[in-house]
Amino acid sequence: DTGVSQNPRHKITKRGQNVTFRCDPISEHNRLYWYRQTLGQGPEFLTYFQNEAQLEKSRLLSDRFSAERPKGSFSTLEIQRTEQGDSAMYLCASSRLTVEQYFGPGTRLTVT
Amino acid sequence: AQSVTQLGSHVSVSEGALVLLRCNYSSSVPPYLFWYVQYPNQGLQLLLKYTTGATLVKGINGFEAEFKKSETSFHLTKPSAHMSDAAEYFCAVSLNNDMRFGAGTRLTVKP
Repeated sequence: DTGVSQNPRHKITKRGQNVTFRCDPISEHNRLYWYRQTLGQGPEFLTYFQNEAQLEKSRLLSDRFSAERPKGSFSTLEIQRTEQGDSAMYLCASSRLTVEQYFGPGTRLTVT
Repeated sequence: AQSVTQLGSHVSVSEGALVLLRCNYSSSVPPYLFWYVQYPNQGLQLLLKYTTGATLVKGINGFEAEFKKSETSFHLTKPSAHMSDAAEYFCAVSLNNDMRFGAGTRLTVKP
């Protein structure tokens, strides 16, 4: 296994712009999760996929956020009309049938 | 819903000293419990987990944790701290694929 990868690792954008992040899970992991982590806090759940189906979304995931996993492999998280409050580390994790989740290195978003 | 409280946002120990990071959970049914470690600008790495069975769980890098149902605790320990243990540690509780994390404890190791 090569581990969970995320791209880009860092993104600086101006307020109002759209951004898209990509997550490649460990191969054959059917579950994929997105979390947001702000400074000094633990990760907060955003959304969860089993294969290509998005099964759960947090109230944190406003209408400006959308996530997809079109073929049940990689996933994208898009934020439209970014706001300064969106600045955070966005973490992706994957798992198979076991409960432990394996995390990627994260994408750090800075909205100026 | 389940939740986690980590007591102490910062813990400082000397190299070679005992490490004790505290975690208490709240859950209506016995949950799964985890400890993760995060180094600067990196994702989370799983240290250890408790699902069922033996309540003393051994993990990587010499860490272990004990599940105490009566105290709703899952404290993380290591007998002798190394400089390389300096990092942020997160306790997490999972129920039906819903994982909740504590706010984290930053461990500093002094030479």
